[in-house]
Amino acid sequence: DTEVTQTPKHLVMGMTNKKSLKCEQHMGHRAMYWYKQKAKKPPELMFVYSYEKLSINESVPSRFSPECPNSSLLNLHLHALQPEDSALYLCASSRDRTYEQYFGPGTRLTVT
Amino acid sequence: AQSVSQHNHHVILSEAASLELGCNYSYGGTVNLFWYVQYPGQHLQLLLKYFSGDPLVKGIKGFEAEFIKSKFSFNLRKPSVQWSDTAEYFCASLGRGEYGNKLVFGAGTILRVKS
Repeated sequence: DTEVTQTPKHLVMGMTNKKSLKCEQHMGHRAMYWYKQKAKKPPELMFVYSYEKLSINESVPSRFSPECPNSSLLNLHLHALQPEDSALYLCASSRDRTYEQYFGPGTRLTVT
Repeated sequence: AQSVSQHNHHVILSEAASLELGCNYSYGGTVNLFWYVQYPGQHLQLLLKYFSGDPLVKGIKGFEAEFIKSKFSFNLRKPSVQWSDTAEYFCASLGRGEYGNKLVFGAGTILRVKS
């Protein structure tokens, strides 16, 4: 099973709201990732967690706050977002950072 | 910096035609290479991967890719496409070592297969 699940599928939030995106995998993978994908563009890396520790932050604004509560879960906390943050947010996981990544279906975020 | 370029943004083929999608990566020491596919309304799926060994790799759904180190290329091929192959295809490289094991995607190629 190579399934990565993400909730919610869709999210609409105002610029003053606080919300969270969730990602889960049960493949025993020790690396997890957040990507942002705008329409007609490839995914762009935001954060990498390796063995539950933040390894890479691609200079993402602080209104995005990742969290890795355990090896199976990855959250992305959102606060005071801007309309330009509207995008598809993808979660991925891999055995470790040197292996192929498996992607979830994404959360379609709209900021109003 | 690590980069991936895909030559064609849009490709239109008739069913049963042969497919080749170009991909070039920037030189960066050891790289692992991948092709992902995104069918309409579906999530990114791994088609195939190259880590080492035989430069001709076979993936799912009849796809294959050839790693040519001298040309920094990793082109995707399929001898006979089907309507169900209509999708967006992304080439990606995972630069090892100094490139921090980051997955970098090409811009993508949208393939439309006419039935």
